[in-house]
Amino acid sequence: KQEVTQIPAALSVPEGENLVLNCSFTDSAIYNLQWFRQDPGKGLTSLLLIQSSQREQTSGRLNASLDKSSGRSTLYIAASQPGDSATYLCAAHFGNEKLTFGTGTRLTIIP
Amino acid sequence: DAGITQSPRYKITETGRQVTLMCHQTWSHSYMFWYRQDLGHGLRLIYYSAAADITDKGEVPDGYVVSRSKTENFPLTLESATRSQTSVYFCASSGTGDYGYTFGSGTRLTVV
Repeated sequence: KQEVTQIPAALSVPEGENLVLNCSFTDSAIYNLQWFRQDPGKGLTSLLLIQSSQREQTSGRLNASLDKSSGRSTLYIAASQPGDSATYLCAAHFGNEKLTFGTGTRLTIIP
Repeated sequence: DAGITQSPRYKITETGRQVTLMCHQTWSHSYMFWYRQDLGHGLRLIYYSAAADITDKGEVPDGYVVSRSKTENFPLTLESATRSQTSVYFCASSGTGDYGYTFGSGTRLTVV
């Protein structure tokens, strides 16, 4: 069964620190992996999309990596800000048209 | 405006009633999806569509019906609403190629 796991479920970090969110998946035949952000009561906002042929993608203070051989992706957030507080979801596309989601990491940035 | 829109934003309905949630996208994306999000279960796929007139079941399709007569619209109907269908429903679309998903803002449905 193709599964996506995110650990920890919650993370608190002081403002200004760099941090890494983890995502693991069970099938190395991944097509792409997408990171989303979800604010309370809101929809999902796409942050970064990494194709299977890529190793990483960057957008501003965010950098996402993909290692198919180890079944892992990481989302690196530099110089964290209180506005980064949200739930971060990773989702894997295994080539069957459907995304498989992790259960998310709830991030709190402490001012 | 370009994008993916869902309506209504909030809905309260009674058990046994039929209710339809609407989803409209302006990109002519081939793929459209319906997910529900519940505490403890995360996002679960209900139905998806690869093109107009092509739909397929996801992980939790029971009690739901979809149709896709036009590429841009993908309505989700609860034929006889139950309390267990109280949830937040998200519609998403994806084009061919990079398969990146874009989500709507969601519909919060309460069945009383």
